[in-house]
Amino acid sequence: QQQVKQSPQSLIVQKGGISIINCAYENTAFDYFPWYQQFPGKGPALLIAIRPDVSEKKEGRFTISFNKSAKQFSLHIMDSQPGDSATYFCAASSGGGADGLTFGKGTHLIIQP
Amino acid sequence: DAGVIQSPRHEVTEMGQEVTLRCKPISGHDYLFWYRQTMMRGLELLIYFNNNVPIDDSGMPEDRFSAKMPNASFSTLKIQPSEPRDSAVYFCASRSLTGELFFGEGSRLTVL
Repeated sequence: QQQVKQSPQSLIVQKGGISIINCAYENTAFDYFPWYQQFPGKGPALLIAIRPDVSEKKEGRFTISFNKSAKQFSLHIMDSQPGDSATYFCAASSGGGADGLTFGKGTHLIIQP
Repeated sequence: DAGVIQSPRHEVTEMGQEVTLRCKPISGHDYLFWYRQTMMRGLELLIYFNNNVPIDDSGMPEDRFSAKMPNASFSTLKIQPSEPRDSAVYFCASRSLTGELFFGEGSRLTVL
């Protein structure tokens, strides 16, 4: 599997601040880039996803920014809340998601009240 | 819908024993994936099926691991014999027609 590199490993943000997590990929065949959120003891759950035909996608407080030429994408969480504290994974796949996702190593996000 | 259902949620076994993990995907989903999660390696894709047929098992770490999907509503991941380094959380996920993966809550395996 081609690698997806995620940073930072951990992140502490004050309530109301902006949380930013970055990912970079190598495989130019990737055409589907989701972000997953995982709470302790639970499976990952889809948060938001983007395809390379757009450079940005926003859903509520969550935004994905995508830079195809740099092969990078990032997650921005605006007005971060304590309930956002979780582990976030970026992922990528080809075949529109049919080929199985390759995940980044995850970012442990803590939002301090 | 109840979501992806995995069993057992927790399994503690001794080295050398056979372990069988079970998964019931969401009805109507045509892809099923098995992932393993550890602190060191993160989420690793082990194998996936399309319409009950294994498509890619290149992530299966060794011949001790095997997976089957006898029908659209059931899959198993078997480890025989188990080793301490197999200790991890094993996730099953099924894929909707829109491409979203739905994960189960995982099976936490501890091999002593």
